[in-house]
Amino acid sequence: GQNIDQPTEMTATEGAIVQINCTYQTSGFNGLFWYQQHAGEAPTFLSYNVLDGLEEKGRFSSFLSRSKGYSYLLLKELQMKDSASYLCAVSDSNYQLIWGAGTKLIIKP
Amino acid sequence: IAGITQAPTSQILAAGRRMTLRCTQDMRHNAMYWYRQDLGLGLRLIHYSNTAGTTGKGEVPDGYSVSRANTDDFPLTLASAVPSQTSVYFCASSEDTANTGELFFGEGSRLTVL
Repeated sequence: GQNIDQPTEMTATEGAIVQINCTYQTSGFNGLFWYQQHAGEAPTFLSYNVLDGLEEKGRFSSFLSRSKGYSYLLLKELQMKDSASYLCAVSDSNYQLIWGAGTKLIIKP
Repeated sequence: IAGITQAPTSQILAAGRRMTLRCTQDMRHNAMYWYRQDLGLGLRLIHYSNTAGTTGKGEVPDGYSVSRANTDDFPLTLASAVPSQTSVYFCASSEDTANTGELFFGEGSRLTVL
């Protein structure tokens, strides 16, 4: 079966760096997405990786290794507003999106 | 700036009743989707439409139907609601029909079936 694994919850300190991991087992691969979802709100797009390597976008970076079925989202200079759930999703060989359950990130002052 | 509008925001419904969740987008996107989100589970696709006039089944289509009469509207109907359909429902759209582009989500409709 197809599977996306993410930690359920993580805690980090304001101003610090946190890395949220995502491993996947899917039938084929056509890209990996990260979305941010604040409690009670809609998911919003953060990044899309289709080639191996690191993509940097301001305080957020996303890394992909297709050979390892692995990605991470790196958040730097954490702010309280970064408290949210982070969703990993993979587009499989049929271009269907497979979603992880999300990682709830708690930021402490 | 609207993007995607969903209605109602929340609803409590008696089991066995019919319910339609409305979704409208103003971005002229080709593809539209309905997802449900339940605690501890990833988003699960209910139905999708790649263009007006066509629809397809997702991962969990049973008990739901959709229509796509035009580009902008994509309503989701529960013909006879059951308690297991209690969930938060998100409508989404994308310019790209191949799931290699950004999804834009509505604010969600929280449905409780008693």
